[in-house]
Amino acid sequence: QLQLQESGPGLVKPSETLSLTCTVSGGSISRSGYYWTWIRQPPGKGLEWIGTIYYSGNSFSNPSLNSRVTISVDASKNQFSLKLSSVTAADTAVYYCARHPEVDGMDVWGQGTTVTVSS
Amino acid sequence: EIVMTQSPATLSVSPGERATLSCRASQSVSINLAWYQQKPGQAPRLFIYGASTRATGIPARFSGSGSGTEFTLTISSLQSEDFAVYYCQQYNNWPPLTFGGGTKVEIK
Repeated sequence: QLQLQESGPGLVKPSETLSLTCTVSGGSISRSGYYWTWIRQPPGKGLEWIGTIYYSGNSFSNPSLNSRVTISVDASKNQFSLKLSSVTAADTAVYYCARHPEVDGMDVWGQGTTVTVSS
Repeated sequence: EIVMTQSPATLSVSPGERATLSCRASQSVSINLAWYQQKPGQAPRLFIYGASTRATGIPARFSGSGSGTEFTLTISSLQSEDFAVYYCQQYNNWPPLTFGGGTKVEIK
């Protein structure tokens, strides 16, 4: 059974870079037909798409994040990662990673990790 | 960017009653629309994809319908475990992938 697990610091200082990793187990990140996605949810708010990557390295990110997003994949470790630069308090959220089949909804999610931006 | 609008924001329903949730897209998304359920402290869970196909393990009391810009999630007879927040999401035209603001289904 495919499982995703987010990992990374729970506290990041303003202006620094948030870095998270999603480890995929029970299946290969290199399987064709699947994208790998980052979603976040600020406290008490809805879901926001951050970005998506294919195992080939082709990636897309939300224009609303003003090019602060870098998503990468390491197929040898079955992981993909998120870097969000120049963070502010507005980036405080639960961050989820998820699998996204090409033509379906996001069918497998990590449990989420809380990241707080504070000095 | 396709804007997804859900209504109502909150739906108060008694157990056993029917619940109807709406999702509207600012332009056509064909049937490339998913619904998710999220309970407090949990990750969202895929319930419906392709506008009307139930994901694995989702009970038959949940049904999705619609195409183009208007979609509906219907829960035929609400059970206690169904009280949660439901989000719609389009994957027809991206980036960006976009979600609706959510509908909270609460006990009346």
